[in-house]
Amino acid sequence: NAGVTQTPKFQVLKTGQSMTLQCAQDMNHNSMYWYRQDPGMGLRLIYYSASEGTTDKGEVPNGYNVSRLNKREFSLRLESAAPSQTSVYFCASRAGGHYEQYFGPGTRLTVT
Amino acid sequence: GQSLEQPSEVTAVEGAIVQINCTYQTSGFYGLSWYQQHDGGAPTFLSYNALDGLEETGRFSSFLSRSDSYGYLLLQELQMKDSASYFCAVPTPMNRDDKIIFGKGTRLHILP
Repeated sequence: NAGVTQTPKFQVLKTGQSMTLQCAQDMNHNSMYWYRQDPGMGLRLIYYSASEGTTDKGEVPNGYNVSRLNKREFSLRLESAAPSQTSVYFCASRAGGHYEQYFGPGTRLTVT
Repeated sequence: GQSLEQPSEVTAVEGAIVQINCTYQTSGFYGLSWYQQHDGGAPTFLSYNALDGLEETGRFSSFLSRSDSYGYLLLQELQMKDSASYFCAVPTPMNRDDKIIFGKGTRLHILP
């Protein structure tokens, strides 16, 4: 039981490049989330998915797209990376009827 | 909308007790969660309070007052390994707007 896994762990992009951050969970959770974390800003919700086939915007969705590929996987795509997207990205999941979120180890992204 | 306020930093001495406060403003309130995050790590769930009062789990306790829109995390017998950031969070129930909003976090410094 790996919990929530994320790939890659580190990434450096040039401005304008695109990439997809992958997230998978093996706990059979319905809900999945993408957050970004910047110094002094806490965790800000980018997108979330309450169930397979549904996605909704969070607080800071501009510049991102998501895909809930199946119940296990929830990917985050940066179509044209900008330096303002330099951050640590966390994926999380939670089970129906429970308030505990489980987080992946994070992806540290730098855009130059 | 929803917002959570917590102090940015707190300092305490090893072996002592420290309280980290959180006040919230929400359009609908269901409970208050607390998470711990060590440097370079992912947030991990500590506690959830749905009802008024104190919930104790080992050295950590969490308190909620719904009438005051206020809660706190109490850490006793502080250890150096408790040096971390602590986040309060407000979840929404699964059958409605399914997301969790986090405060900006409180950095706990522990002095030997």
